[in-house]
Amino acid sequence: EVQLVESGGGLVKPGGSLRLSCADSGFTLRNYSMNWVRQAPGKGLEWVSSISSSNTYIYYADSVKGRFTISRDNAKNSLYLQMNSLRAEDTAVYYCARGRGTVEYCTSTSCYTLPRYFDYWGQGTLVTVSS
Amino acid sequence: DIQMTQSPSSLSASVGDRVTITCQASQDISNHLNWYLQKPGKAPKVLIYDASTLETGVPSRFSGSGSGTDFAFTISSLQPEDIATFYCQQYDHLPLTFGGGTKVEIK
Repeated sequence: EVQLVESGGGLVKPGGSLRLSCADSGFTLRNYSMNWVRQAPGKGLEWVSSISSSNTYIYYADSVKGRFTISRDNAKNSLYLQMNSLRAEDTAVYYCARGRGTVEYCTSTSCYTLPRYFDYWGQGTLVTVSS
Repeated sequence: DIQMTQSPSSLSASVGDRVTITCQASQDISNHLNWYLQKPGKAPKVLIYDASTLETGVPSRFSGSGSGTDFAFTISSLQPEDIATFYCQQYDHLPLTFGGGTKVEIK
């Protein structure tokens, strides 16, 4: 059975840091892209970051670029999100999600490989940024 | 960024009703669209990918259609367990974006 279990959320002051973890079981992590999606209280879903199965591609939403770092340890079946310089607007439930399949698109300068859809999600971990 | 506009933002219908939600993309996204269901306090769950392909194990009363910029999601016969918020999501371009959600309630 595929399971994703997030941990590491909590209360942090503005400007602080947190590291989220996602422990994965029931599948071979190295075969899948992995992703973080967040949901502010009472709001909709917002994609945060994606990392390809081979670590070749890493993407971030503009709202977190330069502050958050996604990483994975396939040997430990784990996904991580290092969050620095946290702001009040980062307050949200953070979900890790497994990517299923890929699609590619190219601009005039670069090509990108995106997850086709998110087929398994964790239960989420709440991050609250407040003084 | 590609904007995804869902409508309506909420609806109330009776058990057995046919329910349709629409999602409009701000530019052509081919069939690169997914639909998710999220029950209160739970993680989202994929129902439809590639605009019209039913995910394994998802009841056949759910369906999706469309391509380009205009998409629809239909529940052929609303059931009590379908009380949830439904989201569309495009994967044609970065950043991946979701619609604002449609909250479905039972009348």
